[in-house]
Amino acid sequence: DAKTTQPPSMDCAEGRAANLPCNHSTISGNEYVYWYRQIHSQGPQYIIHGLKNNETNEMASLIITEDRKSSTLILPHATLRDTAVYYCISAGNTPLVFGKGTRLSVIA
Amino acid sequence: DAGVIQSPRHEVTEMGQEVTLRCKPISGHNSLFWYRQTMMRGLELLIYFNNNVPIDDSGMPEDRFSAKMPNASFSTLKIQPSEPRDSAVYFCASRLNSGRAYNEQFFGPGTRLTVL
Repeated sequence: DAKTTQPPSMDCAEGRAANLPCNHSTISGNEYVYWYRQIHSQGPQYIIHGLKNNETNEMASLIITEDRKSSTLILPHATLRDTAVYYCISAGNTPLVFGKGTRLSVIA
Repeated sequence: DAGVIQSPRHEVTEMGQEVTLRCKPISGHNSLFWYRQTMMRGLELLIYFNNNVPIDDSGMPEDRFSAKMPNASFSTLKIQPSEPRDSAVYFCASRLNSGRAYNEQFFGPGTRLTVL
């Protein structure tokens, strides 16, 4: 079973920031938080990961709370192409376990 | 790099037939993963290899499923005999086991299997 909890669905207006929450209250000290997304009919795509510091790359930003029990993925300016299922996964040196994720719908 | 390559992209077969799915990982990657995705069960890990050696096959549903990785550039997932409940999208992914992004996996486009 997945060790994270995410809302099943969210909507976001095009051009606005999409903030996707994730709860990982049982995360271990050596586990990272990974985010992947899956656009319809495609394979999952890596977005970003972090341990305890906030991270940013060309796709998104990851904000991890100080106690590491939750995090938020931020897509700063959502576009229609960001409509996808977003998976939050906590993992160390073990294979990823995908939960049900959050279905993000970006609306024009 | 062409990314992870899977073939065929679509497969339709009849119950009882043998099915072989193929995967070519990204060159230089050390690990290879086979996943299955259905609406009911989501994305499930079936088996993974490190340096061509199977590490964990606990996700393989039953003896009808087998996977091999004869070299670093090729892997197969075989189902014999196939059953309608095997209908799913099968993904292959590869990973480079070094650096910060240890679990940055690269997924192929998947093979959509339909067993009639």
